[in-house]
Amino acid sequence: EAQVTQNPRYLITVTGKKLTVTCSQNMNHEYMSWYRQDPGLGLRQIYYSMNVEVTDKGDVPEGYKVSRKEKRNFPLILESPSPNQTSLYFCASSPSAGAPGSPLHFGNGTRLTVT
Amino acid sequence: AQSVTQPDIHITVSEGASLELRCNYSYGATPYLFWYVQSPGQGLQLLLKYFSGDTLVQGIKGFEAEFKRSQSSFNLRKPSVHWSDAAEYFCAVGFGNQFYFGTGTSLTVIP
Repeated sequence: EAQVTQNPRYLITVTGKKLTVTCSQNMNHEYMSWYRQDPGLGLRQIYYSMNVEVTDKGDVPEGYKVSRKEKRNFPLILESPSPNQTSLYFCASSPSAGAPGSPLHFGNGTRLTVT
Repeated sequence: AQSVTQPDIHITVSEGASLELRCNYSYGATPYLFWYVQSPGQGLQLLLKYFSGDTLVQGIKGFEAEFKRSQSSFNLRKPSVHWSDAAEYFCAVGFGNQFYFGTGTSLTVIP
C-alpha cells in the first residue's frame, strides 16, 4: 500500500531533550516536506526536500533540522525542543513539487508536546 | 508574499443542504490549486486539484470546485452534504517548490 509513515504518533518530551520524528514513504517520491499545524494558523511548511541531499527552508524552519540521505526517508530533528514547538506535525511527499497534478500525500501526523 | 485565505473559520450546515467553502489566493500567476480534507486524528486527504483546462473540477466524495481567475478564487462546493462530511477543509496552492495552505474551515453537519 502506498503510504507515508510517521513515527511516533504521540510524543511527550521535556525542554532541551533532543528528539527525532521519522518519516518514510514507499512511493519513490522525489519531494518530501514537513509541516506543523497549529489552531488558527493552518499548516506551515518547516522544511522541504527536492531530492536526496537537497533540502531547503520553508516558512518556519527555526529550531528544526532535517536530512535526506535516502530517497524514502526524511527525518525531522529537534535539537533542543522548546514549549513553542508543541504542535501537530505532518510529513508529506509528492512525485515532484511544482509539476502539474502532483499533490501531496500526507502521513497521519505526530502530536508533540514539549513541557 | 504568497497567501491563501479561507475567510470562514467554521461553517455549520444541515444534512442534505448545499455547501460552499471559500478560498482566495494571491499570486502573480495561476498556481496549482488543491482542496484537502482532514478528519479528526487523520492526515490530510486530497479531494481535488486544478492546474489547467476546465475551470470546474470534480473530486472525490461528490465535491467539486470552480477556479475563477478574475476573482483569484477556488471555492469548494457540494450539492448535498452528508453527516460524514464533517471535518476540516484546507485549500492549498502549489507554487514553485512549495505548497501553501489556508488556515482551514471546520465543517459541522447537523441532522
